[in-house]
Amino acid sequence: AQSVAQPEDQVNVAEGNPLTVKCTYSVSGNPYLFWYVQYPNRGLQFLLKYITGDNLVKGSYGFEAEFNKSQTSFHLKKPSALVSDSALYFCAVSRFYGNNRLAFGKGNQVVVIP
Amino acid sequence: DTEVTQTPKHLVMGMTNKKSLKCEQHMGHRAMYWYKQKAKKPPELMFVYSYEKLSINESVPSRFSPECPNSSLLNLHLHALQPEDSALYLCASSASPQRGNTGELFFGEGSRLTVL
Repeated sequence: AQSVAQPEDQVNVAEGNPLTVKCTYSVSGNPYLFWYVQYPNRGLQFLLKYITGDNLVKGSYGFEAEFNKSQTSFHLKKPSALVSDSALYFCAVSRFYGNNRLAFGKGNQVVVIP
Repeated sequence: DTEVTQTPKHLVMGMTNKKSLKCEQHMGHRAMYWYKQKAKKPPELMFVYSYEKLSINESVPSRFSPECPNSSLLNLHLHALQPEDSALYLCASSASPQRGNTGELFFGEGSRLTVL
């Protein structure tokens, strides 16, 4: 089985400051890791993924994430947060390449304060 | 802009009504999904269709009935729902593994269902 932990319920950050949203995973074998964002009253949007290769993954809207196998983590980062980044962020893991069953974390509400 | 289109955006129905949610994608994806999402919670997988065949049913009550008429369309038929079924219903699609599926899902904007 696979699972994801997002330890914080809400992340508050001032506009212009670095933003980090934490994610740790548990999976047997190689993980396939994803970040999705959900703006109010919208569906989920894909941000970035780690499949293999470089541990630093760059995605949409200036976000990046670092895969750390020893710490089983895949934290999402943005160097300078915008008010428009305020949203609900979900980390997800898949056990197999192309697996149809993703395990989502509980989500983190990010609030960027002007 | 999402490339997965869901209709209707909002639906209010009584417990005796029959209604349907519709989803359409034109990305050539061969896997389509229904998820249920409660407020501020992660989406919960309900059904997966792969090549128009039902491949995953996560023990969903029979009052929810999925249908995949063709590779671009996905329906969710609703009958005799309960108030606790009120939620945002999300459709998603992904490319098939044989076509280089890298796993990401493309979501629609959702259909917000209220059961009275």
